[in-house]
Amino acid sequence: EADIYQTPRYLVIGTGKKITLECSQTMGHDKMYWYQQDPGMELHLIHYSYGVNSTEKGDLSSESTVSRIRTEHFPLTLESARPSHTSQYLCASSEWGTAYGYTFGSGTRLTVV
Amino acid sequence: DAKTTQPPSMDCAEGRAANLPCNHSTISGNEYVYWYRQIHSQGPQYIIHGLKNNETNEMASLIITEDRKSSTLILPHATLRDTAVYYCIVRVASGAGSYQLTFGKGTKLSVIP
Repeated sequence: EADIYQTPRYLVIGTGKKITLECSQTMGHDKMYWYQQDPGMELHLIHYSYGVNSTEKGDLSSESTVSRIRTEHFPLTLESARPSHTSQYLCASSEWGTAYGYTFGSGTRLTVV
Repeated sequence: DAKTTQPPSMDCAEGRAANLPCNHSTISGNEYVYWYRQIHSQGPQYIIHGLKNNETNEMASLIITEDRKSSTLILPHATLRDTAVYYCIVRVASGAGSYQLTFGKGTKLSVIP
């Protein structure tokens, strides 16, 4: 049973539209992450958060933005979608410390046409 | 973070043990070794982690060499559902117990009937 939920699972949207990808976790984890993965390619960290009101950019530059107003919620927004944003977006969360691994959601597969 | 080297692909017969190697010759004394796997395009799944000692859980065993420069993930009885990309990651906590995992290309394990 998943403790971290991503919606929608699949999204096809036109160029120029504003979209928000939702990610919620019920584990009370302070740390949350967004990764981007193109088909058959590596995962790249694009955003992360240490807790409420904390957001940081990851290793891969992204035109998306994130917010963390509540511990359990870490949405990702694209103000104006472009075909180059077509990818899979994976959300994850973890507790503090290296003794704990990440829990990933099932991902959102975004296609911008 | 220490870099890891994994073979790009491996095959394993169903029911046999799958031994996935990972080299991390520049690992530091306080870096953990993590293993994750990603089945098809789902979110990565945590498997196991360790620092110095060998570890075992219900999914797999992790064997770390004495000099910590390499490790092996062992799936004792591989099934078709173990076909996935397996990632070996080394990481240390940095800054108030925070850390981010960097995923490489991993090893594509194919379990063959």
